[in-house]
Formats: sequence, structure tokens, C-alpha cells
Amino acid sequence: DAGVIQSPRHEVTEMGQEVTLRCKPISGHDYLFWYRQTMMRGLELLIYFNNNVPIDDSGMPEDRFSAKMPNASFSTLKIQPSEPRDSAVYFCASSLGLGDTQYFGPGTRLTVL
Amino acid sequence: DQQVKQNSPSLSVQEGRISILNCDYTNSMFDYFLWYKKYPAEGPTFLISISSIKDKNEDGRFTVFLNKSAKHLSLHIVPSQPGDSAVYFCAASGGNQFYFGTGTSLTVIP
Repeated sequence: DAGVIQSPRHEVTEMGQEVTLRCKPISGHDYLFWYRQTMMRGLELLIYFNNNVPIDDSGMPEDRFSAKMPNASFSTLKIQPSEPRDSAVYFCASSLGLGDTQYFGPGTRLTVL
Repeated sequence: DQQVKQNSPSLSVQEGRISILNCDYTNSMFDYFLWYKKYPAEGPTFLISISSIKDKNEDGRFTVFLNKSAKHLSLHIVPSQPGDSAVYFCAASGGNQFYFGTGTSLTVIP
């Protein structure tokens, strides 16, 4: 398996634009997580899915953020409209179970100007 | 509210010496703990874990200690090597909750 795949690796956009980050988890993993890495809060869990169903989205900072998982092999994290304070590295991870080892993608570095 | 805390943002250690990274948690429901290692421009990778039924788990140069009464865990790296220089995250899970700490940046000086 190629591991968790994220795209794009880098995204530069202007304030107010819509941004969509994509993730393909490892086949057979039932859990998918979206994280944001910041200096102040480290790895911040935004939302996680179990069998394509969102279980906990309490980490999503505000309504501008939304995430979907239409099938077991694809998830998106959307920010609309984007703001400069959204600039960060966003990671997607997947695992067999909630407490099991999570396998992370390489991350998407988002810069909002 | 940070349920998992790594109070030292950075640590420098001489090559060959012991590195000790600390992590504290607040929720007594957590029953499984993990350490991840992250190099720049890469995603975190799993390093070692420990269940709450144990107080120590060892894997080569890496040992994780768990003190449930103090709600504290630590990662020991002996001997430290320059390739160990990275950011280390601890994580805790229990029930339907999962949290990462803020990370400790370890620099091993040759």
C-alpha cells in the first residue's frame, strides 16, 4: 500500500478563496483523522470519521471548515472562505481502530495571503 | 483545554547521552498512550506505545514509562543519536477520545 496520500502538498491562496484539501486513507482502515499543526497547539485534531461517518467534529474551529468522507477511500477538508490565520500544515491520518497506530500522510502546507 | 501536555517545547542532548521527553495528561479515562516522531516536511510516524495495564514498554533504544497515579509518561532514548533529532509527540486515547500533545523538539548534538 502507498500509505496515506494527501493532495496538494502545498497550497497558496488569497484570503476569501475556497480551499479543498484531499486525502486517500490506507485501504482497510476504518478511521480517518484530520489534524492541523500549529506552533501553539501542536497537532490539533479537527475531526475524525469511523466507517465514513463523522464521529467528533468538536475540533473544527468554525463554520468555515467542513469535512466529508463520501466513501472509504476519499475525504476532503474544505475551508470557505479562507483567512490568513488558517495558514498551517494540515495532516490526514488513518488507522484500524481509534487507539491504534495512526498512519499519517505527508501533509498539506496551506498559506493564505 | 489541553488534555495532553508536553511542557518542554525543546530539548538538547549530547550524542550518546540519554534523552528524556515528558508528557502529562489530565483525563484518567485514557488507557492507551503512544509516542510519534516527526521529521520536517513529513507526517508523524509511530514510535512506541504503552497500555495502561503496563508501566514500562521497551523497544531497542526507546523505552516508555507510565506513572498512572501521577498521570505522567516519559520517553527515554538511550543512547541518543543525531538521527533522533525530530519533534516528538505524545498521544493518549480512551473511550471515544484521542489527543496529541504539543510536541517536544529534540536536538541531539554530535
